[in-house]
Amino acid sequence: DAGVTQSPTHLIKTRGQQVTLRCSPKSGHDTVSWYQQALGQGPQFIFQYYEEEERQRGNFPDRFSGHQFPNYSSELNVNALLLGDSALYLCASSGRVTGSMNTEAFFGQGTRLTVV
Amino acid sequence: AQSVAQPEDQVNVAEGNPLTVKCTYSVSGNPYLFWYVQYPNRGLQFLLKYITGDNLVKGSYGFEAEFNKSQTSFHLKKPSALVSDSALYFCAVRDMVYKLSFGAGTTVTVRA
Repeated sequence: DAGVTQSPTHLIKTRGQQVTLRCSPKSGHDTVSWYQQALGQGPQFIFQYYEEEERQRGNFPDRFSGHQFPNYSSELNVNALLLGDSALYLCASSGRVTGSMNTEAFFGQGTRLTVV
Repeated sequence: AQSVAQPEDQVNVAEGNPLTVKCTYSVSGNPYLFWYVQYPNRGLQFLLKYITGDNLVKGSYGFEAEFNKSQTSFHLKKPSALVSDSALYFCAVRDMVYKLSFGAGTTVTVRA
C-alpha cells in the first residue's frame, strides 16, 4: 500500500502564475482533503472532496479550487499566485463520509510551494 | 466552531524522562481528537485518536493520551522519551465530515 502520494514534492512559481498540485489517496479511501501549512503554523483546512464534489470549504479565496476524479485522486489549483501562498500543501485521505467515524486521516508528504 | 489549543510552543526534556504535550479542545458535541507528529520537511504521521471509550488511549511508538472531559483536555504522554521523539506535535479535533482543525503545534526536543 503506497499510502497517500503527492506530486510534485517541490515547486517554484512566480507571482501571478497558476499551479496545479496532485494527490492520490490511500487505497480504500474516497475522501480527499487539502490543507495549507505556512511556516511555523499548523495546517489550515482548504477544502474537501467526496464523490467528485466539494463538500466543505475553509476560509480560502476562490483562487483556490479543486477537482476529484472518478478514481478518487484529486487536484488543487491555485490561480494568480501571491507571495503569501508559499507554504507546504498537504493532502489527506480518509474513509467514506457516511461510514465509520473511527478512521483517521492519512497525510501525504506534501508539496512545498515557493512563490517568488 | 471546533478548535484546539496547544499552550506550549516548545517542550524540552532529557532522554529517559517522561514527556507530556498539552492540548485543550472546544467542541459543541462529542469530540473526535487526534495527535499527529511531523518530522522536518515531512507530512503528518498519525499517533493516536480518541473517538469514544476508555479515557486512556494508547498509540504508536509508545505514546498515549488521556482524555479528560471535565477539563476538556487531551494531553499526549510518553513515560520515557527518546532522542528520536524530537519533532513537531499537533493536536487536532475533527468534525462529522472529516475536517480537521489543528493546534499551532508544539516542538519537542529530547536531549541526550
